[in-house]
Amino acid sequence: KNEVEQSPQNLTAQEGEFITINCSYSVGISALHWLQQHPGGGIVSLFMLSSGKKKHGRLIATINIQEKHSSLHITASHPRDSAVYICAVSKNTGNQFYFGTGTSLTVIP
Amino acid sequence: DTEVTQTPKHLVMGMTNKKSLKCEQHMGHRAMYWYKQKAKKPPELMFVYSYEKLSINESVPSRFSPECPNSSLLNLHLHALQPEDSALYLCASRDRGLRGEKLFFGSGTQLSVL
Repeated sequence: KNEVEQSPQNLTAQEGEFITINCSYSVGISALHWLQQHPGGGIVSLFMLSSGKKKHGRLIATINIQEKHSSLHITASHPRDSAVYICAVSKNTGNQFYFGTGTSLTVIP
Repeated sequence: DTEVTQTPKHLVMGMTNKKSLKCEQHMGHRAMYWYKQKAKKPPELMFVYSYEKLSINESVPSRFSPECPNSSLLNLHLHALQPEDSALYLCASRDRGLRGEKLFFGSGTQLSVL
């Protein structure tokens, strides 16, 4: 069993739709990261969460530590949001990260 | 300077070649990572350096040899690679401070082994 599970694996949305991507984890963590990767490209860190909620533009990320669950929301989605979104967690000890399998998002104009 | 710089961006090499990938960051981060990523898969951890010492080696074949000459630089030396080693190689750095954790990735080196 993976330490980090993401859903859905693939998501297609119409431009303007509200999008939610979910991440569940099974280990004690010090932080959870939401990452974005465009095709053939490097990875950009969108959010680091250890509790609560963060907002940046049209992106909102929440985390529930008790339930070991996080969500990434995109409001008013746009074709440029098309990318793979990856959830990654770092444990309380050590240097290692654990990655979800990613969610491939396609936003259609 | 808030970025991780990887060179080269693309590399094509034969199975008998020796090449090196380079990763540089000037943010003072003391943990640096090499990941291998195949298409449509999440990154797979290869090596972790902490304070310039190798702390994790995820059973990577010896044809991959990491090196951390100083706190800003991370190299990955490649020798006698196989075609299945073709992938995107990503470098990352991490800083843990009082305000939380920061994680930065380079744009990667797309490696093709012929």
